[in-house]
Amino acid sequence: GAVVSQHPSWVICKSGTSVKIECRSLDFQATTMFWYRQFPKQSLMLMATSNEGSKATYEQGVEKDKFLINHASLTLSTLTVTSAHPEDSSFYICSATIINEKLFFGSGTQLSVL
Amino acid sequence: AQSVTQPDIHITVSEGASLELRCNYSYGATPYLFWYVQSPGQGLQLLLKYFSGDTLVQGIKGFEAEFKRSQSSFNLRKPSVHWSDAAEYFCAAHFGNEKLTFGTGTRLTIIP
Repeated sequence: GAVVSQHPSWVICKSGTSVKIECRSLDFQATTMFWYRQFPKQSLMLMATSNEGSKATYEQGVEKDKFLINHASLTLSTLTVTSAHPEDSSFYICSATIINEKLFFGSGTQLSVL
Repeated sequence: AQSVTQPDIHITVSEGASLELRCNYSYGATPYLFWYVQSPGQGLQLLLKYFSGDTLVQGIKGFEAEFKRSQSSFNLRKPSVHWSDAAEYFCAAHFGNEKLTFGTGTRLTIIP
């Protein structure tokens, strides 16, 4: 089946630094990628929807300047957490899909900001 | 190993008929369990979740799910489906390590 690779799996960073998370569709071209955030023992929160070559659509309450999403190709989307703070510590997961096809998930990234 | 299994890749039901989508997990304890729905081109939407307590959980859009510890299952049900229920359904679980594990999904098709 289709594979979505998310990297890194774990990242620890100092407060004020920026962190980039990559999401790659390995064997298909993803027209749309989604970025989610999850707090411990909570459900997923959709952060943004990313279509290749266009600006991401952010959900209400998600800071665009804080969470930069780039979807430069049909196989790669990146989420950059800029000037990270401890409250940004969370589990981030991406998913990718082709129009009218299944959704495939990355394995997630656990971000810890010190 | 911890895992979530959705045995049915694709299910077709008639509008108005009842629905049950299966979800099984493999874990030594009781995980936190979720059902999500994805409509075409959309992100995931949470239908319902189970953390503890009453094993029959009510969700949005008329869905319910029952946690059965003896069967390691958390099946999703709806008494009467509507055409708008056609979507992809994902079962997911927290196994205590804070990461969410998804099943492979079940595509639901509704026929008139």
